[in-house]
Amino acid sequence: QKEVEQNSGPLSVPEGAIASLNCTYSDRGSQSFFWYRQYSGKSPELIMFIYSNGDKEDGRFTAQLNKASQYVSLLIRDSQPSDSATYLCAVDSGGYNKLIFGAGTRLAVHP
Amino acid sequence: GAGVSQTPSNKVTEKGKYVELRCDPISGHTALYWYRQSLGQGPEFLIYFQGTGAADDSGLPNDRFFAVRPEGSVSTLKIQRTERGDSAVYLCASSSGTGGDEQYFGPGTRLTVT
Repeated sequence: QKEVEQNSGPLSVPEGAIASLNCTYSDRGSQSFFWYRQYSGKSPELIMFIYSNGDKEDGRFTAQLNKASQYVSLLIRDSQPSDSATYLCAVDSGGYNKLIFGAGTRLAVHP
Repeated sequence: GAGVSQTPSNKVTEKGKYVELRCDPISGHTALYWYRQSLGQGPEFLIYFQGTGAADDSGLPNDRFFAVRPEGSVSTLKIQRTERGDSAVYLCASSSGTGGDEQYFGPGTRLTVT
């Protein structure tokens, strides 16, 4: 059973702090890694994707990938209350197109 | 540009009835996916189309579930003899079609089976 694991949270951070969200996956054949943000009652919104080991930065978001450790993370700098949402980690199934999702980490940014 | 659209946004049906859920992907996207999301869980893969054909239907839970994409654009997910356990949000996503590429989700259809 291919799995993606995330801490369910809630992860509570003060406004302006760095939020760090982590994800581990079981399938060593996975090649594509995604972070989605999901507000309550809404559908997932793609915010970051990463395909190679290392860091990828986009604005306040940084995705980090370590394939040897089967670990993906998302850093959110200067966290804002509007960042409060559930963050879903998704991994392709062994290089194929279907995505395996974690259950999500709920982030709460308090003023 | 226009994103993925899904209709209806909400569907309430009685146990045993037949339902159809529709997805219109982003224009030009050849790959289309259906997922199902239950409360507190991440989306769960159901089926993937590349063009008109179902390239992977390994996530369909049983033979009551069927999906089509006859012209390689709009897709319909069909559920026969609905059960209360089918209640969930059904999400459609599309991508440009290259392997492992980014998938963009529609707003979902909330299905409630009473």
